[in-house]
Amino acid sequence: QGQLVQSGGEMKAPGASVKVSCKTSGFPFTSYSISWVRQAPGQGLEWMGWISGYNGTTKYAQKFQDRVTMTIDTSTTTAYMDLMSLRSDDTAVYFCARGHAVMTDWGQGTLVTVSS
Amino acid sequence: DIQMTQSPSSLSASVGDSVTITCRASQGISDDLGWYQQKPGKAPQRLIYAASSLQSGVPSRFSGSGSGTEFTLTITNLQPEDFATYYCLQHYGYPITFGQGTRLDIQ
Repeated sequence: QGQLVQSGGEMKAPGASVKVSCKTSGFPFTSYSISWVRQAPGQGLEWMGWISGYNGTTKYAQKFQDRVTMTIDTSTTTAYMDLMSLRSDDTAVYFCARGHAVMTDWGQGTLVTVSS
Repeated sequence: DIQMTQSPSSLSASVGDSVTITCRASQGISDDLGWYQQKPGKAPQRLIYAASSLQSGVPSRFSGSGSGTEFTLTITNLQPEDFATYYCLQHYGYPITFGQGTRLDIQ
């Protein structure tokens, strides 16, 4: 059973950037991808993209293509999701999950609040 | 994009009941479908993968079926801990898409 522990909540102003981390353990990091999914308050789940733990290859949802960057640090088995040019409608809980299609284990979520 | 339409959007049931949730895809997705359970303030948890395979550790009262465009999640003998929101997810094509969710409440 893999474990994913995310960084704490963030409050950002419109136009700023946020970087969320996802520290993993309990599985071979380089054998899996890490996906990112977000959930706006009271809303459903939205897939943002994934990054390969093996070579850092990424696949982003077109909606976020211009604003998101996903990276990994294999030495610390940590994945990162950087979202720029934040808007109020980016206020959401951001989850990381193991796997790029079948998301087996999930982080606890990170609340990102965008407000002036 | 492949649209996933879940129905119903909400339902009420009692402990011991059986319920069925349906997910329809806007195009064929083979069996590239999973079901997830989410409780308030928590991360989703995978229940079913490949449309009908039960995730290890998930009670056998959960079952999934379907292929192509129509899929169902059935929960028999509802237990108090089953009252939650359920989502389907397709990973046949990009972008990966979720259904809008089905909220299951205690009647």
